[in-house]
Amino acid sequence: GQNIDQPTEMTATEGAIVQINCTYQTSGFNGLFWYQQHAGEAPTFLSYNVLDGLEEKGRFSSFLSRSKGYSYLLLKELQMKDSASYLCAAGEGGSYIPTFGRGTSLIVHP
Amino acid sequence: ETGVTQTPRHLVMGMTNKKSLKCEQHLGHNAMYWYKQSAKKPLELMFVYSLEERVENNSVPSRFSPECPNSSHLFLHLHTLQPEDSALYLCASSPQSNEWGTEAFFGQGTRLTVV
Repeated sequence: GQNIDQPTEMTATEGAIVQINCTYQTSGFNGLFWYQQHAGEAPTFLSYNVLDGLEEKGRFSSFLSRSKGYSYLLLKELQMKDSASYLCAAGEGGSYIPTFGRGTSLIVHP
Repeated sequence: ETGVTQTPRHLVMGMTNKKSLKCEQHLGHNAMYWYKQSAKKPLELMFVYSLEERVENNSVPSRFSPECPNSSHLFLHLHTLQPEDSALYLCASSPQSNEWGTEAFFGQGTRLTVV
């Protein structure tokens, strides 16, 4: 089985940088996803990491360390619209479908 | 708009009622999923369909009954539910279910309240 841990809630200021961490323990590992979910809306795909290192996509970057069972999502130049829940999901060996964490609710204030 | 449409968006039902949730995708995907999202809990996978065949059932109680008549449509039939079944039910689709790193496209969900 899997154990995925991420903070429940974070707050940050508009224009700042925030890092949302996710740790996982899996029996086998085949990649880590990040999804964004605004209140009352569908989760939308942000990133997928399978190799160690940082992948950048505009204001959002995702990092993975397989040896440490650790990932983070980095959001730069925060905007009010970035207030949302950020879901970490890890793929376990033997299953193509990832298991989700509880999500981190990010509140961006002026 | 993600290309996955769920209806209804909100549903209130009594414990003795029978209702159905509907999901539709026109993305040409072969795999469809039902997830349950409860407050303060992780997204829970319920069912997976690949090419209209159920490939996974995550120990879901029989009061939830899925149906996939074709690769574009997925239903979740509900009967004799319990108040603890109140949650957001999310449908998702992906190009296939048997490839690493496949992105899932989610619908906006049906907010279900069992009274």
